[in-house]
Amino acid sequence: ILNVEQSPQSLHVQEGDSTNFTCSFPSSNFYALHWYRWETAKSPEALFVMTLNGDEKKKGRISATLNTKEGYSYLYIKGSQPEDSATYLCALHAGGTSYGKLTFGQGTILTVHP
Amino acid sequence: DGGITQSPKYLFRKEGQNVTLSCEQNLNHDAMYWYRQDPGQGLRLIYYSQIVNDFQKGDIAEGYSVSREKKESFPLTVTSAQKNPTAFYLCASSNLGQAHTGELFFGEGSRLTVL
Repeated sequence: ILNVEQSPQSLHVQEGDSTNFTCSFPSSNFYALHWYRWETAKSPEALFVMTLNGDEKKKGRISATLNTKEGYSYLYIKGSQPEDSATYLCALHAGGTSYGKLTFGQGTILTVHP
Repeated sequence: DGGITQSPKYLFRKEGQNVTLSCEQNLNHDAMYWYRQDPGQGLRLIYYSQIVNDFQKGDIAEGYSVSREKKESFPLTVTSAQKNPTAFYLCASSNLGQAHTGELFFGEGSRLTVL
């Protein structure tokens, strides 16, 4: 079983604060790293799919970086808003004989207080 | 609209009964997945399939079975051998390969409760 770890487990911030969370994964057998946002009563939706070491992706106030050599990715939210409240999941898409298998971390629950 | 449809949304089962959860997609995706979520835990992979008539065990396949007879459909059977089946089940699909990002598209989930 591939071990994908996310930290922190939960986070409470005030509206306007910037925040970041971490996803750690085994650096061997890497194919891609996914980030998803899961809002309550909805389905998870993809934020980013990252494949190259040093990749940086941005969508509005949310951005992500990837370091495949040391096995981590950061997700940043600038100027958090209450609508950013959700569970943020990362998933490792393995390569080699495990190609096609996506393993999720436990998620980071973000609550943004007005 | 294109998407993934899971049914039923809620299901109650007596101990010892098998139950099948349906997952249908009209996105023309090659790969389909079943995940399970328990309180305080992330999504754990039960089974996945990259092509029709082929599927692989995920990390927690014991007590579950799947079939992939059609590209659009990937039903999951929770058998009586699954010791703790009460959970939220999510189905997903994606297109793999260099021409695609591989991002997952999810259904709305099925909540199974064993009485």
